[in-house]
Amino acid sequence: GENVEQHPSTLSVQEGDSAVIKCTYSDSASNYFPWYKQELGKRPQLIIDIRSNVGEKKDQRIAVTLNKTAKHFSLHITETQPEDSAVYFCAASKGTNAGKSTFGDGTTLTVKP
Amino acid sequence: SAVISQKPSRDICQRGTSLTIQCQVDSQVTMMFWYRQQPGQSLTLIATANQGSEATYESGFVIDKFPISRPNLTFSTLTVSNMSPEDSSIYLCSVETVGETQYFGPGTRLLVL
Repeated sequence: GENVEQHPSTLSVQEGDSAVIKCTYSDSASNYFPWYKQELGKRPQLIIDIRSNVGEKKDQRIAVTLNKTAKHFSLHITETQPEDSAVYFCAASKGTNAGKSTFGDGTTLTVKP
Repeated sequence: SAVISQKPSRDICQRGTSLTIQCQVDSQVTMMFWYRQQPGQSLTLIATANQGSEATYESGFVIDKFPISRPNLTFSTLTVSNMSPEDSSIYLCSVETVGETQYFGPGTRLLVL
């Protein structure tokens, strides 16, 4: 089955700096790659996603890049703010089943004011 | 988007007992899923709740331990049977909308003593 590896497990940055989280996947059939933000005690919330027919997608301060050949994708957060502090999960799925995802282990991002 | 509610939000149970968790969505959805998130860890898919047929379980999860019902397109239940302390976890339902986006319920925090 699919295996998703996520790095780093923890990331601390100064407010205003950029943060990058990387994930690799094993199943070349995977074609949907969402990123979720989970604040303490809350549910995971989708922040951005990318499909395999696209190399990059941006939404304000958040961007995701995908390299299908290397089977890795990354989350980029620019101009970080303290409210960006949370656990971020990458995931991968295939076909039309976005809900049937394999998740990475998560990255705890701390943005220091 | 989809508005998802779960009951109960939390519970403390004795080992050997069973707990049924309910998941209600505010609109009809084809795909519903159940995930488990152990303390401080990532999300693991338990099963896909299929409307009108038996659930599809992922490797490591069996129907006898986690029976699932899906009587209609807005509701599903997950039962955690014959519980042990290792079942202490957060159980989340999720749905996949027409746009192939996944939304999570608020979760049920289960502690087994």
